[in-house]
Amino acid sequence: AQSVTQPDIHITVSEGASLELRCNYSYGATPYLFWYVQSPGQGLQLLLKYFSGDTLVQGIKGFEAEFKRSQSSFNLRKPSVHWSDAAEYFCAVNTGGFKTIFGAGTRLFVKA
Amino acid sequence: DGGITQSPKYLFRKEGQNVTLSCEQNLNHDAMYWYRQDPGQGLRLIYYSQIVNDFQKGDIAEGYSVSREKKESFPLTVTSAQKNPTAFYLCASVGSAETQYFGPGTRLLVL
Repeated sequence: AQSVTQPDIHITVSEGASLELRCNYSYGATPYLFWYVQSPGQGLQLLLKYFSGDTLVQGIKGFEAEFKRSQSSFNLRKPSVHWSDAAEYFCAVNTGGFKTIFGAGTRLFVKA
Repeated sequence: DGGITQSPKYLFRKEGQNVTLSCEQNLNHDAMYWYRQDPGQGLRLIYYSQIVNDFQKGDIAEGYSVSREKKESFPLTVTSAQKNPTAFYLCASVGSAETQYFGPGTRLLVL
């Protein structure tokens, strides 16, 4: 069965520092890959997505993610974190059918 | 502005009561989904509908019911059979390449 793993339940970074959130998936072929962000009490907002082509994808708010087929990973990065980036981040995978599988999420804390 | 609306933002349920959560979209999407989110967990699929007048159970459908009479609307009823309904409920519609667009959510609390 397909699965999505976000190994870090929470991460704390200093404002201005770089960020990398990890995501690994289990699926035989290349799925559709997504990163969403959720602020407290809000819905999820799409940050970026990968379907095919260039393995480095750019998203909104200065985020990017890199698809690495050999590692079944789709890690999210940002060069310099702002306090407003504090939120929960979800990696998601769709294998072409009706169901999108979401990871358990990584909560990001930003310290001044 | 296109988007998804959910109402109410907060909903209180008394024991034995059925309550209905509203979800409306004007994105002209065929598919709509309902998820449940509990603290520290990802999203769990309750029901989904790929077209009007058709819907399918997700992973945790017990104690819930839905209808899809209009393309724009996909209401979710939490029935009295759902013994642990306290959660954050998210509705989504699906655009191209399975990209999901979410509403702002409804928090359901039990009195």
